Amino acid sequence: GNSVTQMEGPVTLSEEAFLTINCTYTATGYPSLFWYVQYPGEGLQLLLKATKADDKGSNKGFEATYRKETTSFHLEKGSVQVSDSAVYFCALASGTYKYIFGTGTRLKVLA
Amino acid sequence: GAVVSQHPSWVICKSGTSVKIECRSLDFQATTMFWYRQFPKQSLMLMATSNEGSKATYEQGVEKDKFLINHASLTLSTLTVTSAHPEDSSFYICSALLSNTGELFFGEGSRLTVL
Repeated sequence: GNSVTQMEGPVTLSEEAFLTINCTYTATGYPSLFWYVQYPGEGLQLLLKATKADDKGSNKGFEATYRKETTSFHLEKGSVQVSDSAVYFCALASGTYKYIFGTGTRLKVLA
Repeated sequence: GAVVSQHPSWVICKSGTSVKIECRSLDFQATTMFWYRQFPKQSLMLMATSNEGSKATYEQGVEKDKFLINHASLTLSTLTVTSAHPEDSSFYICSALLSNTGELFFGEGSRLTVL
């Protein structure tokens, strides 16, 4: 069946450091891929998405490229800020709106 | 973006009692909502799809008599954990589907602790 694997956290970085959170998936067909972010005390929010191979999703300085050959959708940001501290979830959706989520990666950015 | 609200955000109950969690789409109508469960350091697990005006569709392994879902209006779905036991303690999250865009909007989650 479909699944999503993302790197375990927590990830602790200094402000302005480069961020990578790895995400790989297994799926039949051609799923859409997503990154969601959850700030403390809030619900999950869509950060970015990509719906087909080689698409690059981007938002708020974050970006991720849908790589079908490596079945990956790694999240990157060139310079993180303290306000980026949150839990990040990789997810896929295929066909109906049944999303499959990764375990989440907690990011902590230190000033 | 659209707003989805869950209530309560946390609840503690005694074993054997029932607990109801509400999920509301505050600024849009949602014919489809989803309920998830999240254990510590694990993925969000889809429990069921809630459809307005019809019975919920449960995922394999989820007891429908244990987790009662009602979607009586276009802005409200409820999850009732019946005869709760300590193993039902978890973080429950709902989401609502904005039909015209296909985007999901999530509630803040509800943490249930059964003593």
